[in-house]
Amino acid sequence: QKEVEQNSGPLSVPEGAIASLNCTYSDRGSQSFFWYRQYSGKSPELIMSIYSNGDKEDGRFTAQLNKASQYVSLLIRDSQPSDSATYLCAVRAAAGNKLTFGGGTRVLVKP
Amino acid sequence: GAVVSQHPSWVICKSGTSVKIECRSLDFQATTMFWYRQFPKQSLMLMATSNEGSKATYEQGVEKDKFLINHASLTLSTLTVTSAHPEDSSFYICSARVIASGRKADTQYFGPGTRLTVL
Repeated sequence: QKEVEQNSGPLSVPEGAIASLNCTYSDRGSQSFFWYRQYSGKSPELIMSIYSNGDKEDGRFTAQLNKASQYVSLLIRDSQPSDSATYLCAVRAAAGNKLTFGGGTRVLVKP
Repeated sequence: GAVVSQHPSWVICKSGTSVKIECRSLDFQATTMFWYRQFPKQSLMLMATSNEGSKATYEQGVEKDKFLINHASLTLSTLTVTSAHPEDSSFYICSARVIASGRKADTQYFGPGTRLTVL
């Protein structure tokens, strides 16, 4: 079992709709959770970080964390073609230093 | 967000030569810097973790004598690919973990990456 799992996609979303991305992790001791966006040929860009249970909103993005169920999700509202990218979920354990990445979910927003 | 720079952004070199890549955190001090490699259409692969003033910790399968990492200060880390070969051609990305307290205490930012092509 992979430590951080994501559906590879592609997740096809009409422009203006909500894109919902999920990520599950296996280490119950994980404390820090991140969503990165990576365009083809570019490096990852931090979108959201979340550390406690519940929702965290930043613009069109909402991250949701449920530690009991060991999942973290990302919602993208009013999806735009420019949101088409691969979204990486990353998790850090409490005592850890390095991030563990999921394989990424490719999102395609169609006009 | 915090800024991490990398130089050069791309490099082409002949087989057998060495290439140095610099990674700088521009507006913050990084407790730790990480070096990743990414081949086309594949996931990020962590190569090594480095802390200022100490030896880097390499991931399994990464040759430490081939990929030399120097972490001279809290804002600068370098990766030197020694005796590069075509199979070393890849996208090398550094990342820095923020040292500041508060909301950004545990955040990690990526540099723009360096595309290495070895002929």
